[in-house]
Amino acid sequence: SQQGEEDPQALSIQEGENATMNCSYKTSINNLQWYRQNSGRGLVHLILIRSNEREKHSGRLRVTLDTSKKSSSLLITASRAADTASYFCATEDSSYKLIFGSGTRLLVRP
Amino acid sequence: SQTIHQWPATLVQPVGSPLSLECTVEGTSNPNLYWYRQAAGRGLQLLFYSVGIGQISSEVPQNLSASRPQDRQFILSSKKLLLSDSGFYLCAWSPRLTDTQYFGPGTRLTVL
Repeated sequence: SQQGEEDPQALSIQEGENATMNCSYKTSINNLQWYRQNSGRGLVHLILIRSNEREKHSGRLRVTLDTSKKSSSLLITASRAADTASYFCATEDSSYKLIFGSGTRLLVRP
Repeated sequence: SQTIHQWPATLVQPVGSPLSLECTVEGTSNPNLYWYRQAAGRGLQLLFYSVGIGQISSEVPQNLSASRPQDRQFILSSKKLLLSDSGFYLCAWSPRLTDTQYFGPGTRLTVL
């Protein structure tokens, strides 16, 4: 079953702009993770935010978590063409399994 | 450092044929291991996970099975492939149950 659902499904922006992707989930979580996938490749872990954290930064990435709204957002600042990829949120519940959303396809136009 | 390998990278198999996909992890011991399937343009579906040798948990009823004959080896199998088994299969490992997962490069399986 789908736990995390990303929004939008697809996003096209100009290089240098910021990209914001959202993730909503349904049940209580231990943590929420964001992954990136280039076409036809494996997933790469970007950032993990625990249920007791509200915001986390890593380079040009900023992740927020609102457990009251059961939602998270991933912000990529000053986007580059190399950021073009699919981005997935994954929630870890009390059974310690990750449940992935269907992803946001980001296209950064040079 | 730890690395995860999957092979083959691509596979085209006829319906009814057997399947064996292999995943190995280097540079760590007693990892948690996972098999996922990804349909085109979709998210990942957890198929199996293992917390130790011979310990396999299945998440969805299906035509596939998994085995862990060695600590760092995880195998996905089928006796008879179906058309619906086509997809992108990803293996992952994590050091603890509640932690980041590290993914292999994946195997693209096409069943004709």
